[in-house]
Amino acid sequence: EPEVTQTPSHQVTQMGQEVILRCVPISNHLYFYWYRQILGQKVEFLVSFYNNEISEKSEIFDDQFSVERPDGSNFTLKIRSTKLEDSAMYFCASRPTSGGAGELFFGEGSRLTVL
Amino acid sequence: AQSVTQLGSHVSVSEGALVLLRCNYSSSVPPYLFWYVQYPNQGLQLLLKYTSAATLVKGINGFEAEFKKSETSFHLTKPSAHMSDAAEYFCAVTRNTGNQFYFGTGTSLTVIP
Repeated sequence: EPEVTQTPSHQVTQMGQEVILRCVPISNHLYFYWYRQILGQKVEFLVSFYNNEISEKSEIFDDQFSVERPDGSNFTLKIRSTKLEDSAMYFCASRPTSGGAGELFFGEGSRLTVL
Repeated sequence: AQSVTQLGSHVSVSEGALVLLRCNYSSSVPPYLFWYVQYPNQGLQLLLKYTSAATLVKGINGFEAEFKKSETSFHLTKPSAHMSDAAEYFCAVTRNTGNQFYFGTGTSLTVIP
């Protein structure tokens, strides 16, 4: 069964360092998402991406965040200068179409720990 | 605006007892509603979804949910809890023309042997 894969599963970094989280969405999906879940809290929307551009972003997704689809398979989330409060589980998700009843397919997440 | 509210951040049931996890939604247009489950150290997995085809929706692992428009609810139930049901459960809403999913704060289910 096709699945969304994420790497790394866990990354530890120093505050101020740049981090890139990688995702390989399901191959025929067109819409890609990043969500964040701080320990013990709700799953929060960061950004959605379609046709090589951001389609929606939340207030959390400020200038230190960026997303990119550098090739036909990868979808990356970059945090330029990490802060302690960026420590969270980051989930990538994909969806074949926008709108309608199609569900999001999630990866297993990348846990980011900022020291 | 779309949102969901999950009442009860923690629910404990005995093995074999009824599971009831509550979700109320707010939507200005007919919504699509979802329940996801998150097992420890794993991603979110779809349990079931409401797509307006039927108000009672059956999902995986014996779970089901009923869409009640008059109560703006989409509560998740399972007749008999199993130890393996212990997990975090999230309700989510989106709309037909929407792109973004809105998740609730989650309910942690504990099953007591």
